[in-house]
Amino acid sequence: DIQMTQSPSSLSASVGDRVTITCRASQSISSYLNWYQQKPGKAPKLLIYGASNLQSGVPARFSGSGSGTGFTLTISSLQPEDFANYHCQQSHSLPFTFGQGTKLEI
Amino acid sequence: QMQLQQSGPGLVKPSETLSLTCTVSVGSFSSQTYYWGWIRQPPGRGLEWIGNISYSGSTYYNPSLKSRVTMSVDTSKNQLSLKMSSVTVADTAVYYCARGVAVRSGGAFSDFWGHGTMVTVSS
Repeated sequence: DIQMTQSPSSLSASVGDRVTITCRASQSISSYLNWYQQKPGKAPKLLIYGASNLQSGVPARFSGSGSGTGFTLTISSLQPEDFANYHCQQSHSLPFTFGQGTKLEI
Repeated sequence: QMQLQQSGPGLVKPSETLSLTCTVSVGSFSSQTYYWGWIRQPPGRGLEWIGNISYSGSTYYNPSLKSRVTMSVDTSKNQLSLKMSSVTVADTAVYYCARGVAVRSGGAFSDFWGHGTMVTVSS
């Protein structure tokens, strides 16, 4: 299985901050990388697919980049509703594995 | 708006079989564009891909769970089902169904998710 490693595991930030979360794959996954946001007690919500494609309805302050083994999710100006858990997922090879998650706290 | 409604017991005894159903509300169920996945999340931990199934019934199971997992579809009811046998406390988790989209140029993503079912394995 492809191992996905996110950093940091948790992050404290303030409203208006620019935040970057990193995800690394144990082997090259081209650009087959997705990002999800998950709030407590809720299902994950797709933010970014194919490393950099913004899912319909997701605010433009979210952006993704990277290819190969290194990827980033950037939130340009944190809003109160952005404090949540973030997960990366590779879709290069089954099983589609996830990172361990990053908790974004106020 | 697509909705995935999950149902099934929240408590299962060790060594018994976990059974969950996911009903898709809007009719993309039989489209070749999509597949259907099951994902779980143990309390306080990350997400794990259990497996996936197409509308025609073609399946992929995570090798770590393959011997215990069975997925099926009922196209007449727009439903998919998950069965996991011989459960232990390690199978305690929130279980999600999700719609998967395979991208023509490669890769895939899950764009609609069920609300999740917390399944506790305990005697």
